Amino acid sequence: QKEVEQNSGPLSVPEGAIASLNCTYSDRGSQSFFWYRQYSGKSPELIMSIYSNGDKEDGRFTAQLNKASQYVSLLIRDSQPSDSATYLCAVNSINTGNQFYFGTGTSLTVIP
Amino acid sequence: GAVVSQHPSWVICKSGTSVKIECRSLDFQATTMFWYRQFPKQSLMLMATSNEGSKATYEQGVEKDKFLINHASLTLSTLTVTSAHPEDSSFYICSARDYRVEETQYFGPGTRLLVL
Repeated sequence: QKEVEQNSGPLSVPEGAIASLNCTYSDRGSQSFFWYRQYSGKSPELIMSIYSNGDKEDGRFTAQLNKASQYVSLLIRDSQPSDSATYLCAVNSINTGNQFYFGTGTSLTVIP
Repeated sequence: GAVVSQHPSWVICKSGTSVKIECRSLDFQATTMFWYRQFPKQSLMLMATSNEGSKATYEQGVEKDKFLINHASLTLSTLTVTSAHPEDSSFYICSARDYRVEETQYFGPGTRLLVL
């Protein structure tokens, strides 16, 4: 079982819609959760971090964490073509010496 | 967020030569940095964890004698690809862990290596 799993997609949504990206993780001791965006040919860029259960909003982005169910999600409201990228979920756990685990990424395309 | 730089951004070299890539944390001290490799349309692959003042920890399957890592200061880690071959052509990305911000990793812009 992989430490962090994401649906590879591709996920396509029309412009203005809500894009929902999901991620599950296996280590219950995980404490820090991150979403990165990676445009084609570029390195990952941090979008959101979340550490406690519930929602965290930042502009059009909302991260949701449910530790009991071991999943973290990213919602993108009012999706724009510029949001088209691969989104990487990352999880950090002190149980594994602060090892950082990345999912394989979900490819999102926002259709104008 | 914190800033991590990489140099060079692009390098083309002949087969058999060695290439050094630098990764710097510009506005914070990073005791831990990471080196990743990414082939086209594939996910990030962690190559090694670089710890300041000690030997790097390499992931399984990564040749430590081929990919030399030095983390001599709190703001600089270097990756040297020794005797590069065409199959080493890839996108190399470093990241630095910022302990001030819950262990968050910030990525450098990456170095694209082409070995002819």
